[in-house]
Amino acid sequence: QVQLQESGPGLVKPSETLSLTCSVFGGSISTYYWSWIRQAPGKGLEWIGYFHNSGSTNYNPSLKSRVTILVDTSKNQFSLKVTSVTAADTAVYYCARGRFKEYHYYMDIWGTGTTITVSS
Amino acid sequence: QSVLTQPPSTSGLPGQRVNLSCSGSSSNIESNTVHWYQHLPGTAPKLLIYTNNQRPSGVPDRFSGSKSGTSASLAISGLQSEDEADYYCAAWDDSLNAVIFGGGTKLTVL
Repeated sequence: QVQLQESGPGLVKPSETLSLTCSVFGGSISTYYWSWIRQAPGKGLEWIGYFHNSGSTNYNPSLKSRVTILVDTSKNQFSLKVTSVTAADTAVYYCARGRFKEYHYYMDIWGTGTTITVSS
Repeated sequence: QSVLTQPPSTSGLPGQRVNLSCSGSSSNIESNTVHWYQHLPGTAPKLLIYTNNQRPSGVPDRFSGSKSGTSASLAISGLQSEDEADYYCAAWDDSLNAVIFGGGTKLTVL
């Protein structure tokens, strides 16, 4: 059974870069399309983007200028970097495994999430 | 405000059937498929339905999904106390070029 576990700093200062890691247990990271999703307090879920080991990426246009998703196959992990964070980036961040059925993308396994607060 | 619209809350008695709705538009639900997630705070969201009406292995057949035009629906029959959770719909949006979610419906089992 594949399991995902997010890890991060918990607290980040405004204007700094947020770095998160998702560890994949029980399966290879070399396949599938790995996503990040977040949920700000009192708000709905927001998809951030996905990355495939082949180099294929797709980012939410609303965040594209500030985010990067990378995969480290040697550690079976993938990461998220968000630059120039503000209070609006305060959220619970989830990582997820994604796949395509025909050309329809969906996420079938999620982590439990990690809480990130942006504050000085 | 979410692109997909879900009622904030609904409730039902044990054993009843409830329907959770998800309303969108021609650029998302009508032209793509809908997926449903169950989420208990503090836990990992769980995929219940993918591509409108497919159940992953291990999801009981009490859960079923359907889509018509710009709306989709998740039906839960034989309601159980453990079904009390938040339910989210999701779809790709061709205009936004992104995965979008509904705001979620909180299901209470009375």
